[in-house]
Amino acid sequence: GIQVEQSPPDLILQEGANSTLRCNFSDSVNNLQWFHQNPWGQLINLFYIPSGTKQNGRLSATTVATERYSLLYISSSQTTDSGVYFCAVEISGSSNTGKLIFGQGTTLQVKP
Amino acid sequence: AAGVIQSPRHLIKEKRETATLKCYPIPRHDTVYWYQQGPGQDPQFLISFYEKMQSDKGSIPDRFSAQQFSDYHSELNMSSLELGDSALYFCASSFSPPGLAGSYEQYFGPGTRLTVT
Repeated sequence: GIQVEQSPPDLILQEGANSTLRCNFSDSVNNLQWFHQNPWGQLINLFYIPSGTKQNGRLSATTVATERYSLLYISSSQTTDSGVYFCAVEISGSSNTGKLIFGQGTTLQVKP
Repeated sequence: AAGVIQSPRHLIKEKRETATLKCYPIPRHDTVYWYQQGPGQDPQFLISFYEKMQSDKGSIPDRFSAQQFSDYHSELNMSSLELGDSALYFCASSFSPPGLAGSYEQYFGPGTRLTVT
């Protein structure tokens, strides 16, 4: 089946630093989403980005579907950015049921 | 904006008991997904419904069943609970183009944290 690999698995930053999280996937995808899971367990939608580049405040994301990877950029990190960042993909295929396959996540800790 | 609603938010059950989790999708969303997230793990797909019909099934135990009702809300029924069923259960919803499920942004509810003792 499709593999979704995220790197790095863990990341510790000082407040104000920038970071790049990577998501590699092994097959063609219809959908790719980035989520932030906060310490209370809630999954917050960051980007719906099957291809191209999007920006939202201090966050931006780029997906290069032909090369099967996506990048999430966090600039000027804040302590509230701490948590787990998940990449999730829906594989292309005849079923197209929309189920998402998640990567293992990147755990980010931002220190004051 | 309205979000996905899940109830209850927390649930404590004993082994061999049953549990029912409810999900109310975002208005006009016609597709519902259920995911299970064990401690320290990523969410795993369980089952999905499109227009009240089951559209896909993942690694869902036979002890679990689910359905989507005429008002599009969904319920996940879990029987003979085991310690390993302790997890965070997410419901997500999306709007799908007519005749084609999937491929649209999914929005997740806050989750139901199930603890089996």
